[in-house]
Formats: sequence, structure tokens, C-alpha cells
Amino acid sequence: AQSVTQPDIHITVSEGASLELRCNYSYGATPYLFWYVQSPGQGLQLLLKYFSGDTLVQGIKGFEAEFKRSQSSFNLRKPSVHWSDAAEYFCAVGALYGGSQGNLIFGKGTKLSVKP
Amino acid sequence: DVKVTQSSRYLVKRTGEKVFLECVQDMDHENMFWYRQDPGLGLRLIYFSYDVKMKEKGDIPEGYSVSREKKERFSLILESASTNQTSMYLCASSSPSGLNYGYTFGSGTRLTVV
Repeated sequence: AQSVTQPDIHITVSEGASLELRCNYSYGATPYLFWYVQSPGQGLQLLLKYFSGDTLVQGIKGFEAEFKRSQSSFNLRKPSVHWSDAAEYFCAVGALYGGSQGNLIFGKGTKLSVKP
Repeated sequence: DVKVTQSSRYLVKRTGEKVFLECVQDMDHENMFWYRQDPGLGLRLIYFSYDVKMKEKGDIPEGYSVSREKKERFSLILESASTNQTSMYLCASSSPSGLNYGYTFGSGTRLTVV
């Protein structure tokens, strides 16, 4: 079955430090991959997506992610974190087969806290 | 700006009440989804719909039903609310090529059942 794993439940970084949030997926074919961000009390906002082409994709708010097929990973990065980046981040993969075909499968999320 | 609008941000209902959560999108999307979100459990799919009057069960449909009488509106119904249905509910929509463009989410409804 297709699945998404975000190994880190909660990460704390200092403002100005670099950030990397991990995402691993299990899938046989070239996946459709997404990162979403959820600010407290809000819905989810799309940060970036990948489904073909350049494996390094740029998103909004200064985020980027790199698709690595050999590692089945799609890690999210930001060179310098701002206090406003404190939120929960969700990785998702598009299901291309099975009962969920056409739907997104979400990881359980990583909560990011930012220290001043 | 395209939107998915959930009618209530916060709701408090009593055990046993019938509860309606409404979701409207203005993007002419075919696909609509209802999720619940709980700490540590992430997003869990309740129901989804690919077209008017069509519905499909997600991972946790028990205790819920849905209605899609118009393309833009997708309602989640708690037939008899229980305390274990206290949660954040998120609605989303997508075009049929949702895998290319992802989902657009509403702001969520935080439901408390007392």
C-alpha cells in the first residue's frame, strides 16, 4: 500500500537557522509529491509540489524540496527560518492505484517550533 | 482568489444532536473531500465525492454521512453526535487532475461535542 512517513513529530529550531523536514514515501512508480503547511487554527496551504522534471522544486515562503528517488524521500528545506514559519507541515503523495486512486495520502505531520 | 469556505469555524453541539457541516467551493471542482484531524493522528479521510450525488467512503466513515446535491457544496452529517467526534474537520476540493495541482483546503471547523 502507498504510504507517507514523516519521522519527526516535533522539531524546534532557532530563528535564522536552517531547516530540513523529512518525508519518506513507499511507492513503486514516479510519485506525485506535495508539501502543505498549516498555521494554528487554519486549513492547509500548498507550499510546493513535484511530479516530474527538475528534482529540486521551489515553493512559496522561501521553501524548497528535493525529490530523491534512490532514498524514496522528498525533504523540505529552508535556509533561514523566521518566527512566522512556526506551524505544522504535512507531506503528501498522490495515489495512482487502488481504492484511493486519484487521492492524496498524507503523512501525520511535523510540528515546527521556532525559538527567538 | 479561489476558495473553499466552511460555514462555521467553531461549533459546540450536544451528544445525540444531528450536526451538519457545510463546505462550498467556487472553483468548479469535481472532487470534494472531508477529513478529520486529531493530534498525533494526522488527517483521516471520512468521505469524498467525485461528482454530484456521488460519494465514496474514506478510511473512517462510521458515524458520518455526506450529501452532494450541487457541484459546489459538500455537506458532512453527523447523524447522532458523540463526544468522540470532537475534532477539527477539514474540507478540500480538487479538479479531476488533482494529482497535478493538489487540493485546496478550507479553514476548518472545530467541533466540540458535549
